[in-house]
Amino acid sequence: DVKVTQSSRYLVKRTGEKVFLECVQDMDHENMFWYRQDPGLGLRLIYFSYDVKMKEKGDIPEGYSVSREKKERFSLILESASTNQTSMYLCASSPSPGGWAKNIQYFGAGTRLSVL
Amino acid sequence: AQSVTQLGSHVSVSEGALVLLRCNYSSSVPPYLFWYVQYPNQGLQLLLKYTSAATLVKGINGFEAEFKKSETSFHLTKPSAHMSDAAEYFCAVTSNNAGNMLTFGGGTRLMVKP
Repeated sequence: DVKVTQSSRYLVKRTGEKVFLECVQDMDHENMFWYRQDPGLGLRLIYFSYDVKMKEKGDIPEGYSVSREKKERFSLILESASTNQTSMYLCASSPSPGGWAKNIQYFGAGTRLSVL
Repeated sequence: AQSVTQLGSHVSVSEGALVLLRCNYSSSVPPYLFWYVQYPNQGLQLLLKYTSAATLVKGINGFEAEFKKSETSFHLTKPSAHMSDAAEYFCAVTSNNAGNMLTFGGGTRLMVKP
């Protein structure tokens, strides 16, 4: 069975702290994604990676960075957390065959981050 | 550019009633369309997908959606709601021009009354 694991379900951090959110997938997928989910806004893409050490900015990358040193692991980093980064963060992965199948993304359970 | 609009952030139905969740998309090229469901405290899981084959697509748990190009719509339906259908539903669009990128709608929270 497909599995995407996010290391924490809930996190509480203080303004200015450096925050790491970790995501691991066990499906040997090439592509990995970080989204934030806010009420009424759906999911917005922060960053994605299509290979080890490769990354691309999504729609809302400001205030975030990412790291992908190994194929199975994709980390989201908040360099200096701010209150407007309080949100639900979802990690996803997808394979890279041809055609539409590459667009099926598999999601982790999410990390609810509160920045005080 | 592509976009998705889900009409109605909250929909409430009675158990046994028809479920209709609306999704309209915008895409300059032929789209691929998806519905995902998110149960409380869980991530998203794929409900069904349209990939340019049959326009009426059947998914899990009795849900189906119909792709209507003329209306740029991909509404999700289920003939009879169950209490277990209470969740948030997201419509998403992509295309061959968009690489691996999905664009999501704002989501619709479905509530089912006994």
